[in-house]
Amino acid sequence: QKEVEQNSGPLSVPEGAIASLNCTYSDRGSQSFFWYRQYSGKSPELIMSIYSNGDKEDGRFTAQLNKASQYVSLLIRDSQPSDSATYLCAVNPGRALTFGSGTRLQVQP
Amino acid sequence: NAGVTQTPKFQVLKTGQSMTLQCAQDMNHNSMYWYRQDPGMGLRLIYYSASEGTTDKGEVPNGYNVSRLNKREFSLRLESAAPSQTSVYFCASSYGTSGDLQETQYFGPGTRLLVL
Repeated sequence: QKEVEQNSGPLSVPEGAIASLNCTYSDRGSQSFFWYRQYSGKSPELIMSIYSNGDKEDGRFTAQLNKASQYVSLLIRDSQPSDSATYLCAVNPGRALTFGSGTRLQVQP
Repeated sequence: NAGVTQTPKFQVLKTGQSMTLQCAQDMNHNSMYWYRQDPGMGLRLIYYSASEGTTDKGEVPNGYNVSRLNKREFSLRLESAAPSQTSVYFCASSYGTSGDLQETQYFGPGTRLLVL
């Protein structure tokens, strides 16, 4: 079992819709969770970090964490074509980040 | 303030050749990391350095060596390149040391390596 699992996609949503990206992790001791966005041919850039159960909102982005279910999600409201990218979930189980393989999001104009 | 820089941007090697990938950061960060990214496999940690003078193995260290030259610079060396090392290599840095779980990592632009 991979330590951090994501559906590879592509996830296709129409412009203006809500995109929901999901991630599960295996290490129950993980304490910090991150979402990175990666455009094709570019390096990952941090979108959100979350450390405690519940929701954390930043503009159009909301990260949700449920440690009991070992589940992290990212909601993107009012999706724009510029949001089309691969979204990487990363978990820190205590030493260094462990990344999922990413979900490719396509926002259709 | 350039952030994290990497050289070269692109490199082609023949099997058995050696090369060093360079990484530097100007953010006064303590920790630095080397990852490789292959299609469908996400980012995998090769080596990291929690502070100047220390290095530790990550998930996929075989075939690589690293040097933390000073606080700013962290190099990755391939002694005898193999086709399996064809990948995109990213360097990253963060302010904290390895015990700080909430630290954000900042990535360089990447080096695309092709081993024939």
